[in-house]
Amino acid sequence: RKEVEQDPGPFNVPEGATVAFNCTYSNSASQSFFWYRQDCRKEPKLLMSVYSSGNEDGRFTAQLNRASQYISLLIRDSKLSDSATYLCVVNINPTGRRALTFGSGTRLQVQP
Amino acid sequence: AAGVIQSPRHLIKEKRETATLKCYPIPRHDTVYWYQQGPGQDPQFLISFYEKMQSDKGSIPDRFSAQQFSDYHSELNMSSLELGDSALYFCASSSGQVIYEQYFGPGTRLTVT
Repeated sequence: RKEVEQDPGPFNVPEGATVAFNCTYSNSASQSFFWYRQDCRKEPKLLMSVYSSGNEDGRFTAQLNRASQYISLLIRDSKLSDSATYLCVVNINPTGRRALTFGSGTRLQVQP
Repeated sequence: AAGVIQSPRHLIKEKRETATLKCYPIPRHDTVYWYQQGPGQDPQFLISFYEKMQSDKGSIPDRFSAQQFSDYHSELNMSSLELGDSALYFCASSSGQVIYEQYFGPGTRLTVT
């Protein structure tokens, strides 16, 4: 079983739609949580960190449920440019210097 | 804003050859990480350095070694290359000020023939 599990998709949605991605992690010692996006053959780009209180950045909202070991990402008003693979990522070490553990990613395709 | 720089961007080597990948972190970032991403796979952690000392080790083969220099740049040395080493190699860096967030470079695409 992978340490970080995601639905691989693909999610095919029309422009303007709201889409939600979910992720679960197995290590309860995980300390910090992120969503990255990755375009084909490009580097992962940090989309947002995920805090216990939940956080929002424009059209993107992330939630963390430590009790259920569950992370979510909500994208509102989808744009064509949102098409990418979204990676759920966790960091276990409390000092933050340890490796990131990646989920396999959820592919989003926004259609006109 | 300055980003992580990696060189070369593309590299083609033959089996049993050696390769050296370079990474220049974001200015004032003190930690460097190396990841390997095979085709259709998620990035796998190889090794990291903090203040020029190895801080963590992942699934790095014994044929690979790495170091971080006094100017904080890092090099990943790969010897006796195998076909299975063909992958994207990403370097990421983070700062002691915001220690949880890692920023990735554009990667080096290594092809072993």
